[in-house]
Amino acid sequence: QVQLVESGGGVVQPGRSLRLSCVASGFTFNNYGFHWVRQAPGKGLEWVALISYDGDNHYYADSVKGRFTISRDDSKSTLYLQMNSLRREDTAMYYCATDDYYGSGIITNWGQGTLVTVSS
Amino acid sequence: SYVLTQPPSVSVAPGQTATISCGRNNFGSKKVNWYQQKAGQAPVLLVHDDSDRPSGIPDRFSGSKSGNTATLTINRVEVGDEADYYCQLWDSISDHVVFGGGTKLTVL
Repeated sequence: QVQLVESGGGVVQPGRSLRLSCVASGFTFNNYGFHWVRQAPGKGLEWVALISYDGDNHYYADSVKGRFTISRDDSKSTLYLQMNSLRREDTAMYYCATDDYYGSGIITNWGQGTLVTVSS
Repeated sequence: SYVLTQPPSVSVAPGQTATISCGRNNFGSKKVNWYQQKAGQAPVLLVHDDSDRPSGIPDRFSGSKSGNTATLTINRVEVGDEADYYCQLWDSISDHVVFGGGTKLTVL
């Protein structure tokens, strides 16, 4: 069955960096694009980034563009989110998720999330 | 930027029908997806492309779209349906995913 397992969250000071990872299993990794979606405590879902199945296309929410970078390593079936210049408002649960097909925006499978807390 | 408007909360008695709306000025050809998120859990895809259900989703859940409003309908509501529900779409103009603000369904 499809499994997505995020890691790398934790407590980090404002202005510092953090890299999240998401290891996938149960499907052919390089056939799919991936999203990162976050949820601040008590708030709704906020889309963060999308990488295409071939890694050639990257899309970002305006709130993270220029600070966050989404990438993938198909040899490791792993998705990454490099987060730089972190702000308190980046505090959230971060979910990785599969994209059904390129251009659909349909988010089919979700991991359980990793919590990022930005605090001094 | 693209905005999807949902009511913050909807309440319904068990066995009744719940409807959750998702509004926008002119969806055009954009397709709407719906997700269910129970407390402490990751979201689950309920409906995609306005009205299609993934395998394993009960047929009590259905989606529709007309004019400026997409609607999620839950028939024969159960206590276990209590959750937050989100509409969402891909905006091909901005190349962004957009989520609605979410609707908390309370089963009385």
